[in-house]
Amino acid sequence: QMTQSPSSLSASVGDRVTISCRASQGIANALAWFQQKSGKAPQLLVYAASTLQSGVPSRFSGSGSGTEYTLTINNLQPEDFATYYCQQYYSSIRTFGQGTKVEI
Amino acid sequence: EVQMLESGGGVAQPGESRRLSCAASGFTFNAYSLAWVRQAPGKGLEWISSISGSAITTFYADSVKGRFTISRDNSNSTLYLQMPSLRPEDTAIYYCAKYQGYHGSGSFDYWGQGTLLTVTS
Repeated sequence: QMTQSPSSLSASVGDRVTISCRASQGIANALAWFQQKSGKAPQLLVYAASTLQSGVPSRFSGSGSGTEYTLTINNLQPEDFATYYCQQYYSSIRTFGQGTKVEI
Repeated sequence: EVQMLESGGGVAQPGESRRLSCAASGFTFNAYSLAWVRQAPGKGLEWISSISGSAITTFYADSVKGRFTISRDNSNSTLYLQMPSLRPEDTAIYYCAKYQGYHGSGSFDYWGQGTLLTVTS
């Protein structure tokens, strides 16, 4: 089970934003982050807890280990306002966090 | 370029059956596991099923286990989700997704655009 926090947050362009994800057991960095914009399919941002997917801007970063993981967005841009999900892929039964909506 | 295109959604009545399809291209289809993920209106993402490249191994979320069946046709590069006995709570956008790595490893690196299934009387 993945517990994500906060469920929503308000931020301004240029802010630094941090989203947390806690796993119910150790997942050995098998953790991905997705961005989903309204009406669109999710897009992979980060995998293996801290590796940026090709094409993802460097203002996104992931960190963590064991059961605690974090997605950080530095210098928030207008196109970053979206909902973010964590996902564990340690288990064959993949699970997502509940999502964090980043609003203006 | 990897492309994944779902079809088969629409409006169904409770108790009816529906089969979703996902046509894929741009990668060696039988080398990768695939998954179905759904999203109820205004809700988060829910992984519901995965299938290995060979179709030998399948996994299901508890919410659909024993009810939905995932399958694939490697000769036609198509993924399926058979959904009998539909319930209103199955109303969602259904996405197909490709695993990043071989042998069912990694997260989901490519997704289709989704197909909306509405179950209502």
